[in-house]
Amino acid sequence: DGGITQSPKYLFRKEGQNVTLSCEQNLNHDAMYWYRQDPGQGLRLIYYSQIVNDFQKGDIAEGYSVSREKKESFPLTVTSAQKNPTAFYLCASSTPGQSYGYTFGSGTRLTVV
Amino acid sequence: SQQGEEDPQALSIQEGENATMNCSYKTSINNLQWYRQNSGRGLVHLILIRSNEREKHSGRLRVTLDTSKKSSSLLITASRAADTASYFCATGNNQGGKLIFGQGTELSVKP
Repeated sequence: DGGITQSPKYLFRKEGQNVTLSCEQNLNHDAMYWYRQDPGQGLRLIYYSQIVNDFQKGDIAEGYSVSREKKESFPLTVTSAQKNPTAFYLCASSTPGQSYGYTFGSGTRLTVV
Repeated sequence: SQQGEEDPQALSIQEGENATMNCSYKTSINNLQWYRQNSGRGLVHLILIRSNEREKHSGRLRVTLDTSKKSSSLLITASRAADTASYFCATGNNQGGKLIFGQGTELSVKP
């Protein structure tokens, strides 16, 4: 079945540590996105990529980094520069033109310990 | 930046009743989408309405769009306990295909 997979489901980070969240899709979608969701809040865009080897900053990119070396993969690194990383992270993908909406992964809950 | 504001923030109804959620946005769009999120899960796409459409139906869902008022509404008819979830509107324009999400409406349907 086609879909988008995020791993791990839960992640714990120590202060000063970088962690990487995985996002893989087999939908043949060109575009991929990372959003952050805080409790009771909407989604805020961190980074997005419309094509392999290219990506753009979203509204809250500071303290995060991404890469897009393969069409299927769009990993997000939460660096030590992100001062408040505890949140629910959602990855999504779509076809050009947004005719069919986004397909979301099931999310990764990151907690700083 | 948050594009949309949703109203109400929370809604509690009985099974069988209709649920209406509203979304307002600020800038021009080429489409508006509604998503559903069960607690602790990813979002699921429900319906997309284009800026040149005024109304769209999908099963028990009815979406309207008023571009002059920059607003949309989602109506869920004959609600069920399984409809309990958060509902988000999201607006798309020509800026790289990205969507901007509202804050969401938390719907609780009591059996």
